[in-house]
Amino acid sequence: ETGVTQTPRHLVMGMTNKKSLKCEQHLGHNAMYWYKQSAKKPLELMFVYNFKEQTENNSVPSRFSPECPNSSHLFLHLHTLQPEDSALYLCASSQDLGQTGYTFGSGTRLTVV
Amino acid sequence: AQSVTQLDSQVPVFEEAPVELRCNYSSSVSVYLFWYVQYPNQGLQLLLKYLSGSTLVKGINGFEAEFNKSQTSFHLRKPSVHISDTAEYFCAVSTPSGTYKYIFGTGTRLKVLA
Repeated sequence: ETGVTQTPRHLVMGMTNKKSLKCEQHLGHNAMYWYKQSAKKPLELMFVYNFKEQTENNSVPSRFSPECPNSSHLFLHLHTLQPEDSALYLCASSQDLGQTGYTFGSGTRLTVV
Repeated sequence: AQSVTQLDSQVPVFEEAPVELRCNYSSSVSVYLFWYVQYPNQGLQLLLKYLSGSTLVKGINGFEAEFNKSQTSFHLRKPSVHISDTAEYFCAVSTPSGTYKYIFGTGTRLKVLA
């Protein structure tokens, strides 16, 4: 049990589908993040939420849409994705804005066909 | 701006041998430093962190790291590795204050051989 739960663990979707990734933490953390991890590439920060407010959008295409309804839940809504969007999507949380370390979920392995 | 460099993309080592994974950083301000481990099909797990105080930091699973300000390094070490230590290891740096920045290195794949 990592403290951060991501669902689903695996997702296969067509380019015209709409799907959502879910992240949940009950650690009392105030900040939550989405990262993209592709093969042979560094971790890419996508979005940052602090106290439910988005504080960073790292030039992410609009086909990725985050939602943070409360400090415990974070969603990533996906639509009209491209094959190059296939990757491991990691959610993380931290007490503050990352200064003292993250707790990561196990990730969602996304395949776009 | 901060940056993190992990020069070794892969490190093979025999079981029960010592290992050192290298991490160098660049920053014009004081930093916090971290090491994470990622096992296959898992997220990243925090191994250890340096925030302040003693420059030798001990973490989980027998790992330790030493903060060297003059050499801007934060190398990870373990005196005797096990097969189960086979994983990807990421170094990261953040700043204590000011504009939020948390930078990950590109990772080092540690492969422990029997």
